[in-house]
Amino acid sequence: GDSVTQMEGPVTLSEEAFLTINCTYTATGYPSLFWYVQYPGEGLQLLLKATKADDKGSNKGFEATYRKETTSFHLEKGSVQVSDSAVYFCALRAQGKIIFGKGTRLHILP
Amino acid sequence: DAGVIQSPRHEVTEMGQEVTLRCKPISGHNSLFWYRQTMMRGLELLIYFNNNVPIDDSGMPEDRFSAKMPNASFSTLKIQPSEPRDSAVYFCASSRQGADTQYFGPGTRLTVL
Repeated sequence: GDSVTQMEGPVTLSEEAFLTINCTYTATGYPSLFWYVQYPGEGLQLLLKATKADDKGSNKGFEATYRKETTSFHLEKGSVQVSDSAVYFCALRAQGKIIFGKGTRLHILP
Repeated sequence: DAGVIQSPRHEVTEMGQEVTLRCKPISGHNSLFWYRQTMMRGLELLIYFNNNVPIDDSGMPEDRFSAKMPNASFSTLKIQPSEPRDSAVYFCASSRQGADTQYFGPGTRLTVL
């Protein structure tokens, strides 16, 4: 069945470091892909999305490119901030519902 | 605009009691989703509705769980009887039918003693 696999955390980085969170997916067809973010004590919110191969989603300095050949959608940011500390979920949309990965907790140290 | 509203935000109850969680989706959204989040299992989809009709309840863990959506602006998730292993954060989310993006509520943190 359709699934999403993302790197396990926690990931701890210093402020201004480069961030990569890996995500790969298994799906029939070409699903839409997403990154959602969950800040402490809150629900998930959409960070960025891409709907077809080679699309790049971007928001708040974060980017991810839909790679059909490697079935990947890695999240990147060039210079992280303390305020980026959160849990990040990779997800795909299939058959009317969104399938989420297990989440990666990110800690940014000042 | 108001986002998805959930109540209560926190619930502490004793094993065997009935628990009812409530959700008001964003106005105009006709798809509604109930999720459960735990450290062990991550985020799990329990059930979702389109136009108030349950479409997929394969994630509902047992008969102790039931969900209803009597109208477009209200849904409930009921656990009867509750057990300690039901302790989790329960999220409600809504979207326009067929749309990619879901909007999540703040969640209800349930503790069953």
